[in-house]
Amino acid sequence: NAGVTQTPKFQVLKTGQSMTLQCAQDMNHEYMSWYRQDPGMGLRLIHYSVGAGITDQGEVPNGYNVSRSTTEDFPLRLLSAAPSQTSVYFCASSILRGGIDEQFFGPGTRLTVL
Amino acid sequence: AQSVTQLGSHVSVSEGALVLLRCNYSSSVPPYLFWYVQYPNQGLQLLLKYTSAATLVKGINGFEAEFKKSETSFHLTKPSAHMSDAAEYVCAVTGNTGGFKTIFGAGTRLFVKA
Repeated sequence: NAGVTQTPKFQVLKTGQSMTLQCAQDMNHEYMSWYRQDPGMGLRLIHYSVGAGITDQGEVPNGYNVSRSTTEDFPLRLLSAAPSQTSVYFCASSILRGGIDEQFFGPGTRLTVL
Repeated sequence: AQSVTQLGSHVSVSEGALVLLRCNYSSSVPPYLFWYVQYPNQGLQLLLKYTSAATLVKGINGFEAEFKKSETSFHLTKPSAHMSDAAEYVCAVTGNTGGFKTIFGAGTRLFVKA
């Protein structure tokens, strides 16, 4: 199993550009999520999904869109990049066992917005 | 709302010394608690998790954590630090109410001196 994969590993954007961060998992997990990690702040939830066709907002959803057309894929779209979106982005997946069980994380995408 | 507090953003120990990383949570219902480890330029990996089966939880690499409900704590310990333990350690809590969200602490960076 590849686990959780993310592409690209690094990306530089100019303000106003749009892009999609890709995330895929091969563990048949119902739950998938996107986080951003900033120094001193811990992981913050952007969006999450509990199954194909079902998504919901997390703590910091503004400026980001998601969709979940299949169990495996959960792309994150930046609509119009801003310098405040410079961060490291992690995708994660988990089974749902009453609540969220342990999450499996991808290697991250380091995004810089100029 | 749930929250997680990790006391100390940086902890430094000598090789062979006791490692103690502190985590306190606030939750109105019995939570699931996790410790993750993050090495540079990688995603988080599960160290151990508490899911109410036993209050003392053993994880990988010789780490363990004790759930103390009266103190709302889940501190991480290791009897003897190794140079390879140098990493970021993140405490997290997931409740079985309040939606499908995991709350992460800000992390503690562990330094191990030779």
